Amino acid sequence: AQSVTQLDSHVSVSEGTPVLLRCNYSSSYSPSLFWYVQHPNKGLQLLLKYTSAATLVKGINGFEAEFKKSETSFHLTKPSAHMSDAAEYFCVVSPRNTGGFKTIFGAGTRLFVKA
Amino acid sequence: DTEVTQTPKHLVMGMTNKKSLKCEQHMGHRAMYWYKQKAKKPPELMFVYSYEKLSINESVPSRFSPECPNSSLLNLHLHALQPEDSALYLCASSQDSGGDYNEQFFGPGTRLTVL
Repeated sequence: AQSVTQLDSHVSVSEGTPVLLRCNYSSSYSPSLFWYVQHPNKGLQLLLKYTSAATLVKGINGFEAEFKKSETSFHLTKPSAHMSDAAEYFCVVSPRNTGGFKTIFGAGTRLFVKA
Repeated sequence: DTEVTQTPKHLVMGMTNKKSLKCEQHMGHRAMYWYKQKAKKPPELMFVYSYEKLSINESVPSRFSPECPNSSLLNLHLHALQPEDSALYLCASSQDSGGDYNEQFFGPGTRLTVL
C-alpha cells in the first residue's frame, strides 16, 4: 500500500528566512517522489522529482529535497523564502512500474510568506 | 511544445446537459490522466490512459466517461452530473507511467460548475 503524509497543513515564514515543508511516505514499491506547487486557481507545477539516483534533488526556484529511505521522508527546503513562494505545496508518490495508477497526493501544505 | 492545454477554462452546465472537456499535449507523452480537485483538497486521480490502455478509479461514477482518440488527445465526457461534481478538473501527461520518466505535467484545469 502507498500513503503520503504532509506533516503540516500550514507553514508561515518571513521573507528571506528558510522554508521547510515536511513529507513522509510509505510504498510497497520502489517509489518515485515529487513535489508540486499550486498557486491559487492554477494548475500544478513540478518543482522536483526523485527517482532512484542522487538522494539530494535540486529543483526549480531554489527548492531542493532530500530522500531519506531510513526515515521514509522527502522534505522540501529552500534557504530563503520569497513572497512569490506563497502557494499550496503537494508531496506526491507514484510507485514505479504501476502504470501511474497508484499516484497519491499528500493533503497539501499551505505556505504563507510574511513581508 | 512543453504544454498541456485544456479547454474550456470554465464551464457551467445543468444537470441534464451533456458536455465534454478536452485536453491536448504535443510532447510525445504516452500516458495521460484526469484528476478532480475540490477546493482546498489535493487532486484525486480519476482515470489513466497509458499507451492507450485505460485504468479506472472504481469510485468514479459512470456519469464521467473518458476517451482517448489518440496519444495526444484526451476527452472527458460529462452526462447527468450532480452539483457535487463541481470542481477543478485537471489533465496531466507523462512520458511514461512507470519508469524514470513518470513525472506528470499538468494543464491549467477546467473549472466546472453544475447547477
